[in-house]
Amino acid sequence: GQSLEQPSEVTAVEGAIVQINCTYQTSGFYGLSWYQQHDGGAPTFLSYNGLDGLEETGRFSSFLSRSDSYGYLLLQELQMKDSASYFCAVRMDSSYKLIFGSGTRLLVRP
Amino acid sequence: DAGITQSPRHKVTETGTPVTLRCHQTENHRYMYWYRQDPGHGLRLIHYSYGVKDTDKGEVSDGYSVSRSKTEDFLLTLESATSSQTSVYFCATGQDNTDTQYFGPGTRLTVL
Repeated sequence: GQSLEQPSEVTAVEGAIVQINCTYQTSGFYGLSWYQQHDGGAPTFLSYNGLDGLEETGRFSSFLSRSDSYGYLLLQELQMKDSASYFCAVRMDSSYKLIFGSGTRLLVRP
Repeated sequence: DAGITQSPRHKVTETGTPVTLRCHQTENHRYMYWYRQDPGHGLRLIHYSYGVKDTDKGEVSDGYSVSRSKTEDFLLTLESATSSQTSVYFCATGQDNTDTQYFGPGTRLTVL
């Protein structure tokens, strides 16, 4: 079967840097995406990696290693508003369907 | 935002009753998706559509059917609701050449 593994919870201090890892085992791979979801809200797209390497978007960066079936989301200069759940998602084929991980709940403390 | 609305936003129903959830988009996106979200499971794909009248099953499609008669509307039907279908349902849309999906606000469904 297909699986995406990410930590269930991460706690960090305001202003710090936190890394959320995602490892995947899927029958195919087109790309890795990251989504953010605040409590009671809808998921929103954060970042995408189709090729190996680092993608940077402001305070957020995402990294992919296809050979290791591994990626991570890096959040810098953490703010209280970054407290949310973060999901990695993999597209396995040309159908534009995504498989999501179970999510990582990030708690940012003062 | 992709202009996605879902209706109803909240619904309580009884086991065995039919339920239809509606997703409406104003962005003319080709792809539409229905997910359910349960604690500890993330988002799981129920069905998706790749065009008008073109649909396919996702990973948790049993007990659900969908229809897409217009580009802007994607309906999810529970023919006979069960308590295991109590969940939060999200609709999403997407386009060709990008993995980005845009999510609606969600529908909280409770089956008693």
